[in-house]
Amino acid sequence: AQKITQTQPGMFVQEKEAVTLDCTYDTSDQSYGLFWYKQPSSGEMIFLIYQGSYDEQNATEGRYSLNFQKARKSANLVISASQLGDSAMYFCAMREGGGGYNKLIFGAGTRLAVHP
Amino acid sequence: DVKVTQSSRYLVKRTGEKVFLECVQDMDHENMFWYRQDPGLGLRLIYFSYDVKMKEKGDIPEGYSVSREKKERFSLILESASTNQTSMYLCASSLFAENTEAFFGQGTRLTVV
Repeated sequence: AQKITQTQPGMFVQEKEAVTLDCTYDTSDQSYGLFWYKQPSSGEMIFLIYQGSYDEQNATEGRYSLNFQKARKSANLVISASQLGDSAMYFCAMREGGGGYNKLIFGAGTRLAVHP
Repeated sequence: DVKVTQSSRYLVKRTGEKVFLECVQDMDHENMFWYRQDPGLGLRLIYFSYDVKMKEKGDIPEGYSVSREKKERFSLILESASTNQTSMYLCASSLFAENTEAFFGQGTRLTVV
């Protein structure tokens, strides 16, 4: 069965430093996609970054990068130069199955606190 | 700007009541989803729909039903609310295409007393 594991319930980082949020996944599919979402205290889920299983380069979006290690089945999110506004819950997710349905399975999340 | 709108931010209902959670998207997306979010469990898929009048069960459909009469609207129905359905409910939509992101509503925090 497909599964996403986020082993860090909570993390903290000093402002302006980089932080890595861990995500490991389990799937027998050859084609899959990995997503990271941010959920501030207001509740909405904000899409951050996507990595396809066949992408050879690690995905980057501004201060966010995804450290994709396919053999280890890990897809860690790296946030560079942390800002106070980065304090939020972060969820790793994987597309389940194919065919355009885009069902996602989510990890339990990591709560990040950025300290001034 | 893309938008998924859920009808309520907060709801309090009594045990046994029939509860409707409404979701509307303005992006002409084929796929719509209802997730439930609980601490330590992340988001779990209740139901999804890939077309009008089409619906598929997710991982935790028991106690819920859905309706999609129009492309832009996807309703979650709790037939007889119970206290273990107290949770945050999130609606999402996406294109019917692999590996495109889902857009989420602001969530509805439902309390069943």
